[in-house]
Amino acid sequence: RKEVEQDPGPFNVPEGATVAFNCTYSNSASQSFFWYRQDCRKEPKLLMSVYSSGNEDGRFTAQLNRASQYISLLIRDSKLSDSATYLCVVNTNTGNQFYFGTGTSLTVIP
Amino acid sequence: EAQVTQNPRYLITVTGKKLTVTCSQNMNHEYMSWYRQDPGLGLRQIYYSMNVEVTDKGDVPEGYKVSRKEKRNFPLILESPSPNQTSLYFCASTDRFSPLHFGNGTRLTVT
Repeated sequence: RKEVEQDPGPFNVPEGATVAFNCTYSNSASQSFFWYRQDCRKEPKLLMSVYSSGNEDGRFTAQLNRASQYISLLIRDSKLSDSATYLCVVNTNTGNQFYFGTGTSLTVIP
Repeated sequence: EAQVTQNPRYLITVTGKKLTVTCSQNMNHEYMSWYRQDPGLGLRQIYYSMNVEVTDKGDVPEGYKVSRKEKRNFPLILESPSPNQTSLYFCASTDRFSPLHFGNGTRLTVT
């Protein structure tokens, strides 16, 4: 079983739409959770960390559900510039290893 | 500027010719790691290092070596590259449990 499972999409949404991505993880002792954005084979860049209480950064909201072992990312009012691949990342309880989802491709259409 | 620097950005080589990809960070991070990214497989960890002289295997270490003689540097060595090591490679660093900072990648082609 993969450590982190993520729906690869693709998601094609119109500008202004709300889109949500989910990611499940298998290790219940995982400590840290992150969402990254990756553009066309460039390096992944941190979008936001995910905290137990949920957190928001502008149009982006991240949530963690430890009981069901998933994290989510909600993007409101999608912009063309949001088109990218979104990666969920989970850090083990020892802090030694990071596990990545395969990424969800998002295209925002004019 | 805080950054992780990888070199080279692009590399084309032939089977069996030893190569080294360098990685350097200026953030005094203890943790450094190497990943490869392949279509449909996502990012997979090759090796990681918790500190100087401390390295450990990730999920796909076969065919790779690393060393950590200084805190800032973590080179990736392919002693005898093979075509199945053609991939996009990323180096990253962090403090434990914090987000990873990535280098801008090395696109390797082995013919």
